[in-house]
Amino acid sequence: LAKTTQPISMDSYEGQEVNITCSHNNIATNDYITWYQQFPSQGPRFIIQGYKTKVTNEVASLFIPADRKSSTLSLPRVSLSDTAVYYCLVGDVGTYKYIFGTGTRLKVLA
Amino acid sequence: DAGVTQSPTHLIKTRGQQVTLRCSPKSGHDTVSWYQQALGQGPQFIFQYYEEEERQRGNFPDRFSGHQFPNYSSELNVNALLLGDSALYLCASSPGPPGNTIYFGEGSWLTVV
Repeated sequence: LAKTTQPISMDSYEGQEVNITCSHNNIATNDYITWYQQFPSQGPRFIIQGYKTKVTNEVASLFIPADRKSSTLSLPRVSLSDTAVYYCLVGDVGTYKYIFGTGTRLKVLA
Repeated sequence: DAGVTQSPTHLIKTRGQQVTLRCSPKSGHDTVSWYQQALGQGPQFIFQYYEEEERQRGNFPDRFSGHQFPNYSSELNVNALLLGDSALYLCASSPGPPGNTIYFGEGSWLTVV
């Protein structure tokens, strides 16, 4: 299973765009990249998933370069309620066995 | 459409006791996975059930066991509880493979004293 590396923490201000980059050098051909958000004492919440290029949904965008060795989660115009831990996961969606790293603690300031 | 539901939400047990945690998957999902999350850490994969059988297992001792029922709901059992078993236990469900993501419940907080 591919190991992921993310920044431990990030600070941002309300209204700014936040980009969190994840490194996964050993990603396998069958692996997808998935991002989760977790608030204290709650279960992780699915944000976005992709395999290559760019994926966009109503809350975020995911950018994946051609070599797939990294990915970037983009959160447009963050608010205070986006303060949370963000996890980047890489895994074969056929098996659903995901290895979580330590995640990135995003703090949004007023 | 109810999401993944877990019970109980909080419980306290004494060292050496046994505990059972329960999970109902999201409607239409037949695969259930369990994760343990210690305070300040990311979730750690315990095991996964599909078609009432354990399909995959993480690096957890045999004290951790599980079961999946015909209606796809699942139980996590932990025997001979240790203080280090205190954690948030998360259940995640997903539809059959391939190509779908997993959805987590809110977890069960276990405190071992």
